[in-house]
Amino acid sequence: SYDLTQPPSVSVSPGQTASITCSGHQLGDKYTSWYQQKPGQSPVLVMYEDRKRPSGIPERFSGSTSGHTATLTIAGTQPMDEADYYCQAWDSSTVVFGGGTKLTVL
Amino acid sequence: QVQLQESGPGLAKPSETLSLTCTVSGASISNNHWSWIRQPPGKGLEWIVNFYNRGTTNYNPSLKSRVTISTDTSKNQFSLNLNSVTAADTAVYYCARVIFDDYSGYPPHFDYWGQGNLVTVSS
Repeated sequence: SYDLTQPPSVSVSPGQTASITCSGHQLGDKYTSWYQQKPGQSPVLVMYEDRKRPSGIPERFSGSTSGHTATLTIAGTQPMDEADYYCQAWDSSTVVFGGGTKLTVL
Repeated sequence: QVQLQESGPGLAKPSETLSLTCTVSGASISNNHWSWIRQPPGKGLEWIVNFYNRGTTNYNPSLKSRVTISTDTSKNQFSLNLNSVTAADTAVYYCARVIFDDYSGYPPHFDYWGQGNLVTVSS
């Protein structure tokens, strides 16, 4: 089965840039989506097809891929960005989620 | 605006069948693709199934043998049945809309989610 690996936690100071990584075999040849989930809420799509932002997602969110790693970058991180973030890919006709990264803004 | 709402019992007994329904507004279930995804308490997301408006379905291999999907186009609803449940099936169950065009080469992603329905498996 295909696995996606994320760091369990990332910390960032307000106003700084946060980078959340997602690693998987040849992930750069697939397309990665990202979801933000705040406590007690449903996930929200924040990035798809590696680098496309859905309507309503702030421009400070961006995505990129290189090799085996996809990265979600949040520039000028705000306290409201504190949440769990999940990457998602598609392999052999199955959806795979990463284990999630807790972003702490402090 | 597309809205999804899960409904169903919050409790299921071990070895029995968990049944949930997703009611959709703002979009026709016949013209879109749909999914069930779950999240055990305090854990990450686990994909269960995608089903497509052309009648095909993709399953999580680890759950495929226990999953049944059905639709009711008159009510704009779709349902999940998961049989032979155990405590490991305790989770918040989400329904979601799938954006997927297999001719484009882009993989599916999920743009609208329901609020989730917690199902606890316990005797």
